[in-house]
Amino acid sequence: QVQLVQSGSELKKPGASVRVSCKASGYTFSTYAMSWVRQAPGQGLEWMGWINTKTGNPTYAQGFTGRFVFSLDTSVSTAYLQISSLKAEDTAIYYCARDGPSGSYFDYWGQGTLVTVSS
Amino acid sequence: QTVVTQEPSLTVSPGGTVTLTCASSTGVVTSGHYPNWFQQKPGQAPRALFYSTTNKHSWTPARFSGSLLGGEAVLTLSGVQPEDEAEYYCLLYYGGSWVFGGGTKLTVL
Repeated sequence: QVQLVQSGSELKKPGASVRVSCKASGYTFSTYAMSWVRQAPGQGLEWMGWINTKTGNPTYAQGFTGRFVFSLDTSVSTAYLQISSLKAEDTAIYYCARDGPSGSYFDYWGQGTLVTVSS
Repeated sequence: QTVVTQEPSLTVSPGGTVTLTCASSTGVVTSGHYPNWFQQKPGQAPRALFYSTTNKHSWTPARFSGSLLGGEAVLTLSGVQPEDEAEYYCLLYYGGSWVFGGGTKLTVL
């Protein structure tokens, strides 16, 4: 069965960097793209962008350029989100979500990774 | 900046029917926006319900339906169950990017 398993919670200081991982199983990783979604505490969902798992080419949504980097390690079927120069407002749960077959985007989601930025 | 608007909150009685809507600041929502719907319960990741307006996932309960009506995307729940109490988000496609609605908190009371 399809599973996306994300790395555990992180507590970081402002200015630091963090890397969130999303390990896929139950399907051929490079077949379907992966999106990233942010959810600030008590807030709604925000699409951050996606990465083509065949080519590694990322696309970033407005507001997620510069400090946010999507990457892959296809040898271990894992997508990564790296955030640099962390700010308090980056505190959120970050989700990976698969772009599934036949237009069924966002069909499977990771469990989410809470990133807390606090001094 | 494109805004996708949903009702902030709705209340429905068990066994009743409720309609959630999803409107676009750019105008009429069409099939070309590939409307998606998600359910999120407290402390859980979102769960996909519909894609491309009307297409259910294998796990989507039969009492849920998706459609376009009056220029908006619509999620209808018929015969609402207590376990349907959740936040519901729509998601629309705008030529290379996706925008989530603000979510509707559905209370079953």
